[in-house]
Amino acid sequence: EAQVTQNPRYLITVTGKKLTVTCSQNMNHEYMSWYRQDPGLGLRQIYYSMNVEVTDKGDVPEGYKVSRKEKRNFPLILESPSPNQTSLYFCASSLLQPSSDEQYFGPGTRLTVT
Amino acid sequence: GENVEQHPSTLSVQEGDSAVIKCTYSDSASNYFPWYKQELGKRPQLIIDIRSNVGEKKDQRIAVTLNKTAKHFSLHITETQPEDSAVYFCAARSGGSYIPTFGRGTSLIVHP
Repeated sequence: EAQVTQNPRYLITVTGKKLTVTCSQNMNHEYMSWYRQDPGLGLRQIYYSMNVEVTDKGDVPEGYKVSRKEKRNFPLILESPSPNQTSLYFCASSLLQPSSDEQYFGPGTRLTVT
Repeated sequence: GENVEQHPSTLSVQEGDSAVIKCTYSDSASNYFPWYKQELGKRPQLIIDIRSNVGEKKDQRIAVTLNKTAKHFSLHITETQPEDSAVYFCAARSGGSYIPTFGRGTSLIVHP
């Protein structure tokens, strides 16, 4: 089954404790990205990647890191989480072809930083 | 970069009524406009999209219209049902980019 998976689905942590949220897709998509969703602010892009070893900042990259060492995986790293990073996070992927524009979203990770 | 404005932020309708959600975009080079539906506790999923060479597209009870001159596009849902209740996001993508810019979302509530 074609899908985007994220782990963990729920995470409660404390300020300053490094964490990683994993994202994996099995559709051989070149493009992957991370969004955070906050009430009233919609989906804001954190980082994106056009292919292996190619990453770039989105609209709200501060406090986050990513890596793209393999095509299928795109982990999101919070080196020193802070309470303002409490949010719902979505990973998404798509093909980089004009005829295949749909973004496939993962199930989401709800992060709480206390 | 692209800027997408979406209105209204909340829309409440009675079952059977029509619902219209409107978005405007800033980049005249944008050529792809998808709409995503996010049910409560679920992930966003594509429900319909339109490209700049088309003015209107329909899929059963949903339709999207595009006015390139005015740089706005709209989602129309007819004969609304309670299961249409969700958050709807519009997005626009420039011809030179694969990265869509999302609106802030519209929470649609359909009352039985």
